[in-house]
Amino acid sequence: SQTIHQWPATLVQPVGSPLSLECTVEGTSNPNLYWYRQAAGRGLQLLFYSVGIGQISSEVPQNLSASRPQDRQFILSSKKLLLSDSGFYLCAWTRTSRGEQFFGPGTRLTVL
Amino acid sequence: GDSVTQMEGPVTLSEEAFLTINCTYTATGYPSLFWYVQYPGEGLQLLLKATKADDKGSNKGFEATYRKETTSFHLEKGSVQVSDSAVYFCALSQGGSEKLVFGKGTKLTVNP
Repeated sequence: SQTIHQWPATLVQPVGSPLSLECTVEGTSNPNLYWYRQAAGRGLQLLFYSVGIGQISSEVPQNLSASRPQDRQFILSSKKLLLSDSGFYLCAWTRTSRGEQFFGPGTRLTVL
Repeated sequence: GDSVTQMEGPVTLSEEAFLTINCTYTATGYPSLFWYVQYPGEGLQLLLKATKADDKGSNKGFEATYRKETTSFHLEKGSVQVSDSAVYFCALSQGGSEKLVFGKGTKLTVNP
C-alpha cells in the first residue's frame, strides 16, 4: 500500500529564516506531487506541482520554491520567511491526471 | 475556468440530524467529482468519489450523486454523529489536467 510522509509536523520559525519542508511517498512510482497551503480558516491554495523529477510548475508567485530531487521526494523551500507564510502545508500525490489525490498529514508552520 | 462552489458554513447540527452540504460545479467536458474530509489538525482524506453522470459515491454513511443536468454533487448523510465534525471539501478533476479544483470547504459541527 502507498503512504505519504511529511516532516516536520510542526515548525516555529522567525521572520527572515530559511525553510525546508519534506514530503516522501512510498509504495508507488512516478507519482504526480503537489504542495498546498491552507491559511487559518481558509481553503486550499495550490502552490506547486510536479509530474516528474526536476519538473516543477508554480501556481502562485511568492517567496517559496519547490524541488523534486528524487522520484518520490518533494521539497518546499524558502530563503527568507515572511509572516504571511504561516499556515498548514499539505503534500499530496496522485497516479493519474484524473484520479483522486492522497494527502499527507501536513506541517503546521508558524512564522514569528 | 473550472470552478466548484460549496454552501457557506459553518453548519451546526444535533446528533442524528440529517445532513446536506451543497456543491455545484462549472466545468467543460465530464469531470470526476470528489468529497474530501479534514478532521482538526489533519490532512485531507478522500471520503467518496464519482466519475460519470448518475454515479453515486458512498462511504461511512455519506452519499453523493453526480448530477450532470444540475451540475451538482451534494453530500448527504441520514444521521450525523459527533465524530463527523470536520471540514468537508468538494473537488473536481478534469481530463488533461494534473490539478484538482477545490471548493472553499464547509465546516460541520455536530453537538451531542
